[in-house]
Amino acid sequence: AQSVAQPEDQVNVAEGNPLTVKCTYSVSGNPYLFWYVQYPNRGLQFLLKYITGDNLVKGSYGFEAEFNKSQTSFHLKKPSALVSDSALYFCALIGNAGNMLTFGGGTRLMVKP
Amino acid sequence: DTEVTQTPKHLVMGMTNKKSLKCEQHMGHRAMYWYKQKAKKPPELMFVYSYEKLSINESVPSRFSPECPNSSLLNLHLHALQPEDSALYLCASSQEGGESGGFYEQYFGPGTRLTVT
Repeated sequence: AQSVAQPEDQVNVAEGNPLTVKCTYSVSGNPYLFWYVQYPNRGLQFLLKYITGDNLVKGSYGFEAEFNKSQTSFHLKKPSALVSDSALYFCALIGNAGNMLTFGGGTRLMVKP
Repeated sequence: DTEVTQTPKHLVMGMTNKKSLKCEQHMGHRAMYWYKQKAKKPPELMFVYSYEKLSINESVPSRFSPECPNSSLLNLHLHALQPEDSALYLCASSQEGGESGGFYEQYFGPGTRLTVT
């Protein structure tokens, strides 16, 4: 069975500071990892994905994520947070079941001015 | 155009009503999905259509009935729903998907906020 864990329900960061949203995974075989963001009363918006290649993946709105196979992690990062980054973030995994996404529980990011 | 549209945005229905949710994409995607999302929870997969055929039904009650009239459209027909079915219903699409495999990102619509009274 495959799973995704987001250990923090909420992350608080001051505007201008770097942010990290954590994600760990469990899967047999190669993982294919995604980050999505959801603003209030909206659908999910794709940020970035790791399929293969460079462990550092760059995505939309200045976000990036680092794939670490030995730690089975795929943490989302941004060098300088904006208040507008405040939203719900989901890490997701495609394992061995075709294009079916397994989601983590979500992390609410709060960026304060 | 990376847009998935959903109508209506909001829907209130009684337990005896019949209603339908609609989803449309014009990205040439061959896989389309219905998800149910409760507040502050991740989306739960309901159905997957791949090449206009239902490929995955995640043991969803028969009061939810999906339909894929063509490669751009996806409907979800609702009948005799329960109050616990109140949720945000999300449609998504991807280039390929379901049992055909592939590792393509899914593009989500804004959702329909459903309230069952």
